[in-house]
Amino acid sequence: DQQVKQNSPSLSVQEGRISILNCDYTNSMFDYFLWYKKYPAEGPTFLISISSIKDKNEDGRFTVFLNKSAKHLSLHIVPSQPGDSAVYFCAASAYGNKLVFGAGTILRVKS
Amino acid sequence: GAVVSQHPSRVICKSGTSVKIECRSLDFQATTMFWYRQFPKKSLMLMATSNEGSKATYEQGVEKDKFLINHASLTLSTLTVTSAHPEDSSFYICSARVGLAGGIEQFFGPGTRLTVL
Repeated sequence: DQQVKQNSPSLSVQEGRISILNCDYTNSMFDYFLWYKKYPAEGPTFLISISSIKDKNEDGRFTVFLNKSAKHLSLHIVPSQPGDSAVYFCAASAYGNKLVFGAGTILRVKS
Repeated sequence: GAVVSQHPSRVICKSGTSVKIECRSLDFQATTMFWYRQFPKKSLMLMATSNEGSKATYEQGVEKDKFLINHASLTLSTLTVTSAHPEDSSFYICSARVGLAGGIEQFFGPGTRLTVL
């Protein structure tokens, strides 16, 4: 049972444009969400997180939006840069318990 | 962000030998550390959760006698793959958690590529 789903296996975006990565979840107990970026043969790098009491969190070029009623969150990267090309994982936690990861989305930013 | 290191980054061993992987939180104390395994083109699979000074909690299907986890201090956790076999070849990643008011942050090590011949 996939509690966290990233339905788009890949996304291709032109440099300078906005990248929007989506994530859906099924467990209404999730109260904390994180986004990670991962390069091949490296560990994930933490990008940004959001608590369920908020609907938006922004950090530089990265903004995460949370829609609790739709059980949906998205990561916006603007402007996209070639160095953003990587695999992006969303993850969720309920009451500080273990993170549940999505399958990841490969982002390719074309220059 | 906080820094988590892993050693070694890459190891090749013969079938039947044991391999130890170290995970350290360099600039913070981590009460909880996690060990993950990643298969090619797959998401991260949680193997076990370890808390300092107590036994690790293993996920369903993970052999605790094969994957020995020790969390000796607030900055060090080790994973020992005992009697390794080729099917244990994988990318192993540790993670350390920092509990913050109102949230959690979890940081990952760079991973260890294990190849069992």
